[in-house]
Amino acid sequence: QLVQSGPEVKKPGESVKISCKGSGYSFSSYWIGWVRQMPGKGLELMGIMYPHTSETRYNPSFQGQVTISADKSISTAFLQWSSLKASDTAMYYCAGMGLLGAIDAFDVWGQGTVVSVSS
Amino acid sequence: DIVLTQSPGTLSLSPGGRATLSCRASQSLTSTHLAWYQQQPGQPPRLLIYGISTRATGVPDRFSGGGSGTDFTLTVSRLEPEDFAVYYCQQYGTSPWTFGQGTKVDIK
Repeated sequence: QLVQSGPEVKKPGESVKISCKGSGYSFSSYWIGWVRQMPGKGLELMGIMYPHTSETRYNPSFQGQVTISADKSISTAFLQWSSLKASDTAMYYCAGMGLLGAIDAFDVWGQGTVVSVSS
Repeated sequence: DIVLTQSPGTLSLSPGGRATLSCRASQSLTSTHLAWYQQQPGQPPRLLIYGISTRATGVPDRFSGGGSGTDFTLTVSRLEPEDFAVYYCQQYGTSPWTFGQGTKVDIK
């Protein structure tokens, strides 16, 4: 399963790092993605990472806006911002690819982390 | 980028009815990497279908997927109360991977 960190309430310009801890499987062997869902809106894939090699692919819309990383020693993936904007207010999901056998599809999801940015 | 357009935006049906959801791609998909997800209010998405037509683990057989090229469908043969939700298609064959905007299936 994937368990995400708790809600974050921040001010514009602040930084934040949210996490997604994997358990019950070989964390390094499966791609993990981050998906944004703004209030009342649809799903947007931000990027994916392969923890074994740290290969990371960003959706161009999010390139340079966020950083995706992972620490294999604690089976945890991260999504971080260095300077938040109000428009970053959203629910963020991590999702694992193929953990249950669905080749290249997101078949296991974290519960989501709300990031709220307001002055 | 491949744009996925889902229709209709909202589908109002009765329990026991048949739901047919459409997902149209702006260009032909070069692989079978097309998935469908279901999202209930306040819940993360749940994978239903991957590879256009393969049901994910634990998904009832009333859900089926099909299509090719630019036109894909998700069919729910007999709607159960728990099927009223928002459904998203996703292509994961061409970077950047993209989602459709969603179709809401609500109770008529």
